[in-house]
Amino acid sequence: AQSVTQPDIHITVSEGASLELRCNYSYGATPYLFWYVQSPGQGLQLLLKYFSGDTLVQGIKGFEAEFKRSQSSFNLRKPSVHWSDAAEYFCAVVPNNNAGNMLTFGGGTRLMVKP
Amino acid sequence: GAGVSQSPSNKVTEKGKDVELRCDPISGHTALYWYRQSLGQGLEFLIYFQGNSAPDKSGLPSDRFSAERTGGSVSTLTIQRTQQEDSAVYLCASGTTSGYYNEQFFGPGTRLTVL
Repeated sequence: AQSVTQPDIHITVSEGASLELRCNYSYGATPYLFWYVQSPGQGLQLLLKYFSGDTLVQGIKGFEAEFKRSQSSFNLRKPSVHWSDAAEYFCAVVPNNNAGNMLTFGGGTRLMVKP
Repeated sequence: GAGVSQSPSNKVTEKGKDVELRCDPISGHTALYWYRQSLGQGLEFLIYFQGNSAPDKSGLPSDRFSAERTGGSVSTLTIQRTQQEDSAVYLCASGTTSGYYNEQFFGPGTRLTVL
């Protein structure tokens, strides 16, 4: 079955430490891939997206993600976490045969940042 | 410019009552999406509009749910005879074509609580 999985429900990191949030997908063909962030009481904000080409994608707020076809993964990284990065992060996909471009989301990873 | 707005921001209703949730998309965006975010089901797609028509209603969970869009702009999601399991945050997104994908911009959501 087609799915998007974020294995980590909660992650806690210290401010200034590096961060990696995992995302795996299960689709016949590589879908379009996205990372969104949701701060408390806020809507979803797009961090970055991957359609094709260079497998390392740069996004906003200092985030990057790497697409690895062999592992069906699209992990989100940040070299140094700031307290303001505490939020919930969602990986999402759009199958590339999806005419309406509806997003299918993973379950989310809640990031907590220790001072 | 103005982003996607949704009203009300919070709605508390009694089981069995009907509710209407409103979405004002970004001006000029032809695509509009409704998603639902609940504790049990995560983030899930409900319905997609292109202009005033809804080519994909596959995510609506029951026939108590309906949506319309008028003038290619404002959309209303209606839930009839609300049930406690309808309690969730309802997110609206509007989209504009970015290459071969509708980039979606999300509103802040309407939190619905059914007592």
